Amino acid sequence: GAVVSQHPSWVICKSGTSVKIECRSLDFQATTMFWYRQFPKQSLMLMATSNEGSKATYEQGVEKDKFLINHASLTLSTLTVTSAHPEDSSFYICRAGPPNTEAFFGQGTRLTVV
Amino acid sequence: SQQGEEDPQALSIQEGENATMNCSYKTSINNLQWYRQNSGRGLVHLILIRSNEREKHSGRLRVTLDTSKKSSSLLITASRAADTASYFCATVPEGSGNTGKLIFGQGTTLQVKP
Repeated sequence: GAVVSQHPSWVICKSGTSVKIECRSLDFQATTMFWYRQFPKQSLMLMATSNEGSKATYEQGVEKDKFLINHASLTLSTLTVTSAHPEDSSFYICRAGPPNTEAFFGQGTRLTVV
Repeated sequence: SQQGEEDPQALSIQEGENATMNCSYKTSINNLQWYRQNSGRGLVHLILIRSNEREKHSGRLRVTLDTSKKSSSLLITASRAADTASYFCATVPEGSGNTGKLIFGQGTTLQVKP
């Protein structure tokens, strides 16, 4: 199956700093990628849809200025958590793949803000 | 927002037994997918069933879909300790077009004891 690579797999940062997470589709072009957030023992919550060459579409309740998404190429989307706070600590997962078929997920990024 | 709910939330069985997980969703769908997630890892696609299908098999997995009840079930036969993981259903809402938007259920945590 297709491969989606997410980096880093874990990161610890200080409050107030920004963290960038990368999501790459390694063997296919992805005009659309998706970013999810998962709290411990909970399900995945869709945060935003990343569109290549245009602005991301954010889900209700997700702060656009807090979670900056850039999808500058057909193989790379980035999520930047700006001015991180401890409550931003979570597991972030990206996803790519054509619509209405199986989706391919990155390995996830464990963010801990101290 | 979450599309649906799964039950049970947690399931503990002995190796060799069958495991059944149920998923209910709220809106009409194009298809429903089941995913597996090992602790702290990304998601792995298990099986996709389209809205016009009622049952699908893949190895030890059997998925049913009842669109009139807006529900699906995942059966894992002859379970193994390696099946221990969280299992999520996910739906592509009808009318989401080619966005590929995927909405996840709450998940079932399965523990298979050796």
